[in-house]
Amino acid sequence: AQSVAQPEDQVNVAEGNPLTVKCTYSVSGNPYLFWYVQYPNRGLQFLLKYITGDNLVKGSYGFEAEFNKSQTSFHLKKPSALVSDSALYFCAVRDPSNNNDMRFGAGTRLTVKP
Amino acid sequence: ETGVTQTPRHLVMGMTNKKSLKCEQHLGHNAMYWYKQSAKKPLELMFVYSLEERVENNSVPSRFSPECPNSSHLFLHLHTLQPEDSALYLCASSQGAGHEQYFGPGTRLTVT
Repeated sequence: AQSVAQPEDQVNVAEGNPLTVKCTYSVSGNPYLFWYVQYPNRGLQFLLKYITGDNLVKGSYGFEAEFNKSQTSFHLKKPSALVSDSALYFCAVRDPSNNNDMRFGAGTRLTVKP
Repeated sequence: ETGVTQTPRHLVMGMTNKKSLKCEQHLGHNAMYWYKQSAKKPLELMFVYSLEERVENNSVPSRFSPECPNSSHLFLHLHTLQPEDSALYLCASSQGAGHEQYFGPGTRLTVT
């Protein structure tokens, strides 16, 4: 079965600095990979996905993620962080052989300080 | 209303009560999901409905009973819950199972 790991519970960055939120995955076939964000008292919000094609995927709010097959990673990045980016970020993976099963990581809390 | 809505937003219930959570999606999607979100744990997929048929049931205790009367509505019926069932329950929908999901705001459930 597929799995995903987010090795950092917490990431702190200063406003204006680049940010990276890490994600690694394990899946038997070619993965479908997703990033979601959760603001306080809200549900998860879709940011971006990788299915196939260009390894660099661009998403909402200036976020992007890079698919690295050799390192089985899909790190989320943003060139210049905003205080409003502070939230909980979830990476998810789906094994194409099982459409119904999307596995989420435990989440990384991003705090951007002014 | 747009997106995915859930009611109630907060629910406190005793262990002997029966209650239901409601989810409605206004996106024209054909798959709906229930998740349980507990602090510091990954989201737990509970149930998946695709084209109104249940296609996934991840070893969820029988005290949780889903119902999907049509492609826009999803319910989670609760009875004789335990304190460890206290969590945020999230509903989501997607166009086709396995595609990106759109989530409701959740119901914060407290079992006393």
